Amino acid sequence: GAGVSQSPSNKVTEKGKDVELRCDPISGHTALYWYRQSLGQGLEFLIYFQGNSAPDKSGLPSDRFSAERTGGSVSTLTIQRTQQEDSAVYLCASSYKGHSIAEAFFGQGTRLTVV
Amino acid sequence: AQSVTQPDIHITVSEGASLELRCNYSYGATPYLFWYVQSPGQGLQLLLKYFSGDTLVQGIKGFEAEFKRSQSSFNLRKPSVHWSDAAEYFCAGNSGNTPLVFGKGTRLSVIA
Repeated sequence: GAGVSQSPSNKVTEKGKDVELRCDPISGHTALYWYRQSLGQGLEFLIYFQGNSAPDKSGLPSDRFSAERTGGSVSTLTIQRTQQEDSAVYLCASSYKGHSIAEAFFGQGTRLTVV
Repeated sequence: AQSVTQPDIHITVSEGASLELRCNYSYGATPYLFWYVQSPGQGLQLLLKYFSGDTLVQGIKGFEAEFKRSQSSFNLRKPSVHWSDAAEYFCAGNSGNTPLVFGKGTRLSVIA
């Protein structure tokens, strides 16, 4: 596609429910990142995928958070048993190569509200 | 720990005035540095990036940034601000194979 696509754009869920957020990276990009942006905060790194390498999960805040990347393309971020503090905008980005070499292109984000 | 710091949470400038947004980094080696802009309701857009070489980097929309190793800084500048520049600005950096780390952002307001 022309850019990084995220769905849904908005998600309201009840506390305790599981949610799945989807990211379609730019075709051909081997690196994919998930970030969380809370009100008044910067972008908090969550997880990074690069090619067939094991993902860098060092930013995941708890074991309720997980992510998969199927076929080196689409990624899904799953939050289990959502809590109110999970409310934030979740941003996905992709780049042609690894962390430091190329520009990261960002999607519009998914705004998650836990009520 | 590797980090990027933006000391100013909010800055207000008059339209036509010059602008400088501060960014400091903490890395053992020379990092790769970026400035992104996020307009209301929009995604993040790259303004400019520094990898190596010339320490003065030109970006889009008339922005530039200067890498100063002695001050561990990568400040963003624009000689004349337009009302459309009102947005949130993020400095980011990484080194080697570390994740791209962002500062907390600086919100820019432009007044007439």
